[in-house]
Amino acid sequence: EELLVESGGGLEQPGGSLRLSCAASGFSFRSYGMNWVRQAPGKGLEWISYISSSGNNMYNGDSVKGRFTISRDNAKNSVFLQMNSVRAEDTAVYYCARSLMVHAPFDIWGQGTVVTVSS
Amino acid sequence: DIQMTQSPSSMSASVGDSVTITCRASQTIDTSLNWYQQKPGKAPKLLIFAASTLQSGVPSRFTGSGSLTDFTLTISSLQPEDFATYYCQQGYNTPPTFGGGTKVEI
Repeated sequence: EELLVESGGGLEQPGGSLRLSCAASGFSFRSYGMNWVRQAPGKGLEWISYISSSGNNMYNGDSVKGRFTISRDNAKNSVFLQMNSVRAEDTAVYYCARSLMVHAPFDIWGQGTVVTVSS
Repeated sequence: DIQMTQSPSSMSASVGDSVTITCRASQTIDTSLNWYQQKPGKAPKLLIFAASTLQSGVPSRFTGSGSLTDFTLTISSLQPEDFATYYCQQGYNTPPTFGGGTKVEI
């Protein structure tokens, strides 16, 4: 079974840092690009970051540019999201999602991890 | 960024009904349009990609159509498990953007 499992969410104060992880199994991880998509409470979906299969190309949404960094470790079948200088508006469920390339559909999603930014 | 506008934002329907959801892009996106279903507390699930191609395992009562800027998702003969929120998403350029969602309620 193709599976993505996120971890690392929790409560953080404004200005703090969090590192999210997403572990993949059941497919050739190194063949796929990976994304982070978030959903604020009661709101819609927002794409925030993409990394190519090799890790050589990355794109970030404007709302997180300069604060969040996506990375991956193909040897460990994992993708990460380093979140720095977090703000209250970063409070959301964070999903990792697979896509064959940057403009491809998100065909596999993890169950999500909850990030709450509050003092 | 390309803006995606869905309508309606919510709708009521009954089991067995046929429903249509509309998605409009702020600029032409050819057929680079995907549809997702999300149930409460769950991750989104890909239903249709490239405007009209059914993802593997998705029932044939789901149909997507459209091109350029106007797209539709039709669910024929609604089943109890179809009551959910549906999102469109453009994959034409970066950043990928989603519509605001359409909640299909009983």
